[in-house]
Amino acid sequence: SQTIHQWPATLVQPVGSPLSLECTVEGTSNPNLYWYRQAAGRGLQLLFYSVGIGQISSEVPQNLSASRPQDRQFILSSKKLLLSDSGFYLCAWSGIPSYNEQFFGPGTRLTVL
Amino acid sequence: RKEVEQDPGPFNVPEGATVAFNCTYSNSASQSFFWYRQDCRKEPKLLMSVYSSGNEDGRFTAQLNRASQYISLLIRDSKLSDSATYLCVVKGQAGTALIFGKGTTLSVSS
Repeated sequence: SQTIHQWPATLVQPVGSPLSLECTVEGTSNPNLYWYRQAAGRGLQLLFYSVGIGQISSEVPQNLSASRPQDRQFILSSKKLLLSDSGFYLCAWSGIPSYNEQFFGPGTRLTVL
Repeated sequence: RKEVEQDPGPFNVPEGATVAFNCTYSNSASQSFFWYRQDCRKEPKLLMSVYSSGNEDGRFTAQLNRASQYISLLIRDSKLSDSATYLCVVKGQAGTALIFGKGTTLSVSS
């Protein structure tokens, strides 16, 4: 069966510091991968998605970036965090047999102080 | 008009009650529809996909009305464990993103 991992689970970072969040998927090949953010009291917002290695589509302009160095690895990064980057970051995957349904990892709760 | 709208609630119901959630979407080209469940401080989990003919999974029934751009979720015989936030989710054509509603909060009490 497929599983999705994210780390770290929680993170507290000062403003201006860099960020690296990692997501890996097991048990599937060629998944579509997604990064979402859920800010307090708001809905999930899609940040990036990828349909293959090295391919990244950005949905929202911001100071975050994403990379997909391997088929089942998706990384979210920032060079300098802002207060507004605080939130719950969720990685998701979709794939065989249905690319329509997405399955989420446990998330990283980021607080920027 | 927001892309996916839900009544935020909260819906407070006793165990055993039947409760219905509604959702409307703005993009008539939307092709796939889902309900997700999210527990407090946890990730969303897929509850069920919603098909044009309507579908049922145990105590849960989902219905879609494309003409009215309306989706519903009915929960029968509510359990304490049903307490959560229910997210209405809509997707356009292949390759497009999922659009999430902000969710409806359900609290089931004994």
